[in-house]
Amino acid sequence: GEDVEQSLFLSVREGDSSVINCTYTDSSSTYLYWYKQEPGAGLQLLTYIFSNMDMKQDQRLTVLLNKKDKHLSLRIADTQTGDSAIYFCAESTGGFKTIFGAGTRLFVKA
Amino acid sequence: NAGVTQTPKFRVLKTGQSMTLLCAQDMNHEYMYWYRQDPGMGLRLIHYSVGEGTTAKGEVPDGYNVSRLKKQNFLLGLESAAPSQTSVYFCASSSIDREQYFGPGTRLTVT
Repeated sequence: GEDVEQSLFLSVREGDSSVINCTYTDSSSTYLYWYKQEPGAGLQLLTYIFSNMDMKQDQRLTVLLNKKDKHLSLRIADTQTGDSAIYFCAESTGGFKTIFGAGTRLFVKA
Repeated sequence: NAGVTQTPKFRVLKTGQSMTLLCAQDMNHEYMYWYRQDPGMGLRLIHYSVGEGTTAKGEVPDGYNVSRLKKQNFLLGLESAAPSQTSVYFCASSSIDREQYFGPGTRLTVT
């Protein structure tokens, strides 16, 4: 069945770039999402990419999609302490169903 | 525009007790969802609804029931709570074929 996998932890220094990786199994995915969850809060959509795109840039965020390898990454430039959170990768084939990864906890050291 | 709201934010139940979690959205979304979040397991879909009066089972529906009598509300019920249902519960809503918007969560402890 469909699955989304991510590493559980990432630690970076303030000012460095962070790269969070994700792999998925469903080749018919239409949308791929990155959500951010801050402590005690729900998930908030950070950015998304359509499956017919290779890259999307939004201010400090860059999303790269390798459809052949079913690999998605999120790069955060100039990482700040406020970026410390859990980041979830998710895939959707359209309609109602979205599959979420387990989340990557990003620690930013000052 | 409050988005997605959940009531209550915290609850402690004893084994065997029942409760209802309320989710409300003011974005006129067709789809609504209930997830549970457990450490290291991401989000697991409990039940979902594709419109008023309709509900369907998700990945982990056992021990839960839902109702969607009004488009803006989606209720999650636990008839006889068990310790395995200790979790953080998130409600979400979406338009057709678009991203989901999440509520702030309900932290439930069953002792």
